[in-house]
Amino acid sequence: EDQVTQSPEALRLQEGESSSLNCSYTVSGLRGLFWYRQDPGKGPEFLFTLYSAGEEKEKERLKATLTKKESFLHITAPKPEDSATYLCAVLPGNEKLTFGTGTRLTIIP
Amino acid sequence: DAGITQSPRHKVTETGTPVTLRCHQTENHRYMYWYRQDPGHGLRLIHYSYGVKDTDKGEVSDGYSVSRSKTEDFLLTLESATSSQTSVYFCAIGDWGGHKFFGPGTRLTVL
Repeated sequence: EDQVTQSPEALRLQEGESSSLNCSYTVSGLRGLFWYRQDPGKGPEFLFTLYSAGEEKEKERLKATLTKKESFLHITAPKPEDSATYLCAVLPGNEKLTFGTGTRLTIIP
Repeated sequence: DAGITQSPRHKVTETGTPVTLRCHQTENHRYMYWYRQDPGHGLRLIHYSYGVKDTDKGEVSDGYSVSRSKTEDFLLTLESATSSQTSVYFCAIGDWGGHKFFGPGTRLTVL
C-alpha cells in the first residue's frame, strides 16, 4: 500500500529562521512527487513536481529535493506570508495521487 | 487564477437527503477528480474522470456517485447523505495523474 508521512505535523519558526519539512514515502513505482501549499479555507496550490532521485526545484524561498525514500521542502529565511499547510503527494504507477496529512507552518514576525 | 469553480461553496443538509456538488472548469483538462479532506486524513480520492462519460472509483467511493456529460463539468452526488460525509470536498483538474489546479472547496455539513 502506498503511504506518505509528513513531519513535523506543525512547525513554528521566527521570521528569517530557515528549516526543512520532511515527506517520507513508500510507493510502488514512483512516477512523481508533488508539493502543494494550502491556506486556510482554500484549495491546495501547486508548488513543485519532482520525478527522480537527486532532482531539485526552487521557487522564491522554497527548495524541494527528492531521494528514493523521502523529499524535503527547505524554506530559507521565511516570511510571515509563508505561513500555510504544506502538503506532499506521491503518484504511483496506478496514477492515483496519495497525499500526506501535511505540515502546518507558522512564521512568527 | 485557474478556471475551476465549485458550487455550492457551503451546504447544510439533513441525513438521508440527496446532494449534488458541481465542479466546473474552463481549462479543457481531460482529467477531473473529487477529493474529500478531513482532519487527521490527507486528501482522499473519491472518484475521478479521464474523459466524458469515463469515470473510475477512488479510495473512498462508497456512498458517492459521479457523472461527466461534458468536458467542463464533473458532478459528485451523495445519494443519501450521512453524517460521516460531513467534510470539505475539493475538485482538481489535470492532464495526467498530477493535479495542477484545485477548486476552492465545498464545505458540506450533514445533520
